[in-house]
Amino acid sequence: DTAVSQTPKYLVTQMGNDKSIKCEQNLGHDTMYWYKQDSKKFLKIMFSYNNKELIINETVPNRFSPKSPDKAHLNLHINSLELGDSAVYFCASSHFVGANEQFFGPGTRLTVL
Amino acid sequence: KQEVTQIPAALSVPEGENLVLNCSFTDSAIYNLQWFRQDPGKGLTSLLLIQSSQREQTSGRLNASLDKSSGRSTLYIAASQPGDSATYLCAVVDAGGTSYGKLTFGQGTILTVHP
Repeated sequence: DTAVSQTPKYLVTQMGNDKSIKCEQNLGHDTMYWYKQDSKKFLKIMFSYNNKELIINETVPNRFSPKSPDKAHLNLHINSLELGDSAVYFCASSHFVGANEQFFGPGTRLTVL
Repeated sequence: KQEVTQIPAALSVPEGENLVLNCSFTDSAIYNLQWFRQDPGKGLTSLLLIQSSQREQTSGRLNASLDKSSGRSTLYIAASQPGDSATYLCAVVDAGGTSYGKLTFGQGTILTVHP
């Protein structure tokens, strides 16, 4: 009965590789988000999708490409991984954009070597 | 650009104390403010959500207040317990424009409640 799930939980990879993180929500929400938590534990929005359409893109490098095949899924693909991409990536969802509570997944810890 | 600040950065209290965590934000044009709890190595758990038209919300031993005009919120924890030890994060949803709907987070308050 997990509300927002992410896979994998841990991801260790070499610089230059391409990797994907998957996110699924079973709450029937329209809006999904990706956040990045850096080594100082600071959380920052990366992307937001509403009904499969991109509505927020926070000046994230082009190497990051979100894909939303349907309302329940928002995947994050990262090309040519760099050391600075090491962080914890959180997926979240809300009923719709704006004044709604956001529910977070457990996070994916990405380590780039 | 919205900025959220949380004070104190860390707090250590004995069990049973009542305590207050502070959050301030620079742009009062918000839709809501949300308090979260994060345990080490875990995701975020939503504690309380206050809409911009509300003054406070309560859940069990937690009470959050919002003063939108002054850009401040407080999270009050009554009768603290060791299980309350975690990082508490405050976040606001901006209203309007290209920032519509995104959460802007503070850097959190690390709370330790010792027996």
